[in-house]
Amino acid sequence: DAGITQSPRHKVTETGTPVTLRCHQTENHRYMYWYRQDPGHGLRLIHYSYGVKDTDKGEVSDGYSVSRSKTEDFLLTLESATSSQTSVYFCATRGEISEKLFFGSGTQLSVL
Amino acid sequence: AQSVTQPDIHITVSEGASLELRCNYSYGATPYLFWYVQSPGQGLQLLLKYFSGDTLVQGIKGFEAEFKRSQSSFNLRKPSVHWSDAAEYFCAVGSNDYKLSFGAGTTVTVRA
Repeated sequence: DAGITQSPRHKVTETGTPVTLRCHQTENHRYMYWYRQDPGHGLRLIHYSYGVKDTDKGEVSDGYSVSRSKTEDFLLTLESATSSQTSVYFCATRGEISEKLFFGSGTQLSVL
Repeated sequence: AQSVTQPDIHITVSEGASLELRCNYSYGATPYLFWYVQSPGQGLQLLLKYFSGDTLVQGIKGFEAEFKRSQSSFNLRKPSVHWSDAAEYFCAVGSNDYKLSFGAGTTVTVRA
């Protein structure tokens, strides 16, 4: 499987503070995605990237921003965290001609 | 807009018994359909996919799924369940941009 590392694995923060989650991949995959997973909702796409500096919004992008300055890293930022952003966040990657998404192990974020 | 419904939140099955997980989708064109499995504390792993052609697709771990366009369904089946199949299963739909929409998931419990 693709080498995808998410950091941190767990984070507890306070409402109103900025938070950045990192996804690092070693497979040189072009496409990268950020999803959040919540009970009863499955996974919902936050943002995705189709190349360096090329990103677009998903279905639940409000309150989130992303950056991709190099192929291997895709950062998700919560500018001012809210309790509704308490969730498990998954990064996924996909190669140029593959339909298969590879998922990281997730980041558990708690906003108090 | 694309969407996925998994009607069963939780299914309990005896080891050795058959398993069927339901998935209904809404999509305007020919969909790309996927089943993923998630073990506790882990990311998602692709079980199988359907893009076109034979409507019965085989996947890993002995799973299969059947695409029925008339019913907008893509149900997952396994003839004989093993204890290691206890996990959460997600159906997903997307197009060739692979911005997938996931269902809310079905948790499978396997009893001895």
